[in-house]
Amino acid sequence: SQQGEEDPQALSIQEGENATMNCSYKTSINNLQWYRQNSGRGLVHLILIRSNEREKHSGRLRVTLDTSKKSSSLLITASRAADTASYFCATVETGANNLFFGTGTRLTVIP
Amino acid sequence: EAQVTQNPRYLITVTGKKLTVTCSQNMNHEYMSWYRQDPGLGLRQIYYSMNVEVTDKGDVPEGYKVSRKEKRNFPLILESPSPNQTSLYFCASSFGGPSNTEAFFGQGTRLTVV
Repeated sequence: SQQGEEDPQALSIQEGENATMNCSYKTSINNLQWYRQNSGRGLVHLILIRSNEREKHSGRLRVTLDTSKKSSSLLITASRAADTASYFCATVETGANNLFFGTGTRLTVIP
Repeated sequence: EAQVTQNPRYLITVTGKKLTVTCSQNMNHEYMSWYRQDPGLGLRQIYYSMNVEVTDKGDVPEGYKVSRKEKRNFPLILESPSPNQTSLYFCASSFGGPSNTEAFFGQGTRLTVV
């Protein structure tokens, strides 16, 4: 019962460019979260956006949520080589206590 | 330092030999969970626990057991490991559960069953 599907699966950009990743999900949600994973290591939480919120910012990160389209996007502005990682969206269904992850977007930022 | 600690980080074992992967958190979180990560499949939840002595199945619980006798510890037990359990395993914890706050992840345990 995987919830999130990220798009694209892989993204390669030059340092300084913006990176946009999208996530679509299937059911009504309590919140949607974005995580980052450096190769083979633990996931690190980036942003949590609740179902009644439409946009959130954290530093160079901007997350939007459109519950009518069941989709979210993560924008990383002015990317750096250190942003190279896999990015996952994860959703919590309404009334549930499980976090369902998508398959992730592999971002490569070329110096 | 607030953290989730898993041990061991790497493990190679043989089919059928019981093993335990430990997970401990020092943040007094009620909620703990286990995930496995496989190429192309993302992270899938194995079991989760809302609090001490309360555990529940996730998406892929077959072949696994857990226990939550203390708030800080949530071990994952493979009674009779099989090669299809070769995977990267993550433990995570959060305050009040994912409906409230973000999850903190351990560094992962790479398990190979031969």
